Amino acid sequence: DAGITQSPRHKVTETGTPVTLRCHQTENHRYMYWYRQDPGHGLRLIHYSYGVKDTDKGEVSDGYSVSRSKTEDFLLTLESATSSQTSVYFCAISDRATPGTSGRASQETQYFGPGTRLLVL
Amino acid sequence: DQQVKQNSPSLSVQEGRISILNCDYTNSMFDYFLWYKKYPAEGPTFLISISSIKDKNEDGRFTVFLNKSAKHLSLHIVPSQPGDSAVYFCAASQISQGAQKLVFGQGTRLTINP
Repeated sequence: DAGITQSPRHKVTETGTPVTLRCHQTENHRYMYWYRQDPGHGLRLIHYSYGVKDTDKGEVSDGYSVSRSKTEDFLLTLESATSSQTSVYFCAISDRATPGTSGRASQETQYFGPGTRLLVL
Repeated sequence: DQQVKQNSPSLSVQEGRISILNCDYTNSMFDYFLWYKKYPAEGPTFLISISSIKDKNEDGRFTVFLNKSAKHLSLHIVPSQPGDSAVYFCAASQISQGAQKLVFGQGTRLTINP
């Protein structure tokens, strides 16, 4: 199993409060990702990081910010939590996916953490 | 618009028979496809993948087929076992700055009956 931990595993908070979720890896992988899982939607990418201090938005980034000050940690912050952000949040890691010869992609598998269940009341 | 769709929310199969899970996508820029398996209260675990330059990839009891012209992929599990009961997600990948941006389907809950 890839060394990925998420904290906290469960959290209940109130609307309008800030919340920070932490993802920690011991694999020294360059790429880290935050997803949320909701019924009927599968998993959706929130933000991802392609190196220390390098991050970019995913498909559902509104209301979320991220930070990565060192290789092993990727933080997801909800500045002011809303009920629509009630979800299960998964962190994932991967190594570099690069185009191989003749433009054919060589991709590394993405490994997921155990998830954080967040309830915003 | 959902770029990756799994149109069957659930599937029930008898133990020992073949399970076939289907997935459709709309974006022809996807170049890599993956299947993940998920148990309750756990993160998704990688199962099998296929590059867009191939039409089949096999790993033990699991085979993934890709039909690019139809923008369709399927996962075959044979023979199905009780431990295969889980939610299965297909995902499509685009590379951005070396990162693997995955777009997931909604998932199919597979139940294997003894």
